[in-house]
Amino acid sequence: GQQVMQIPQYQHVQEGEDFTTYCNSSTTLSNIQWYKQRPGGHPVFLIQLVKSGEVKKQKRLTFQFGEAKKNSSLHITATQTTDVGTYFCAGCRLSEYGNKLVFGAGTILRVKS
Amino acid sequence: DVKVTQSSRYLVKRTGEKVFLECVQDMDHENMFWYRQDPGLGLRLIYFSYDVKMKEKGDIPEGYSVSREKKERFSLILESASTNQTSMYLCASSLWTAGDEQYFGPGTRLTVT
Repeated sequence: GQQVMQIPQYQHVQEGEDFTTYCNSSTTLSNIQWYKQRPGGHPVFLIQLVKSGEVKKQKRLTFQFGEAKKNSSLHITATQTTDVGTYFCAGCRLSEYGNKLVFGAGTILRVKS
Repeated sequence: DVKVTQSSRYLVKRTGEKVFLECVQDMDHENMFWYRQDPGLGLRLIYFSYDVKMKEKGDIPEGYSVSREKKERFSLILESASTNQTSMYLCASSLWTAGDEQYFGPGTRLTVT
């Protein structure tokens, strides 16, 4: 079953409002990655967080990795119509085959202009 | 830029047919992956390969097989297609480990009638 839970499943915001998606893992992660998939497109890598408590910013996007390395969030400030798409987190954990990336179910973001 | 290509964007097959989905990457990546994407379920790993002729089962391998005869090419095979295999299939590759950033192809939307 899903080992990386992501919420909310869907969010519809007014342009200019903020947006946050959350990711939780049942196990400690070695890193967490975030991807964006535009409508009709394929997932594209945004960022990777490795350290406990790490915070990284990309313009209006802020990514956080929890202290226990089990949760993460992506916050978008003042959303724009170009932000629409599905945002996936992907947790990296050690498996019997080495590192394994487990994707969350994704959060679909729609922005009303 | 890394380029991952897939043989078809859209495919329609009949129940019971054998289906081949091809994926090629041009950046000498060690790892290649096949996912299926369904609404609300995110990206689910079918199989991955960490080297030529090497493969490992993902989370949902039933009904699928794979082949990696050359480093740049990873094929997904549906031995006898069924309607519940109607989905979007995404191929991805990563450089060194399965936990590295993954580069996705454009996807193949397969419909089994």
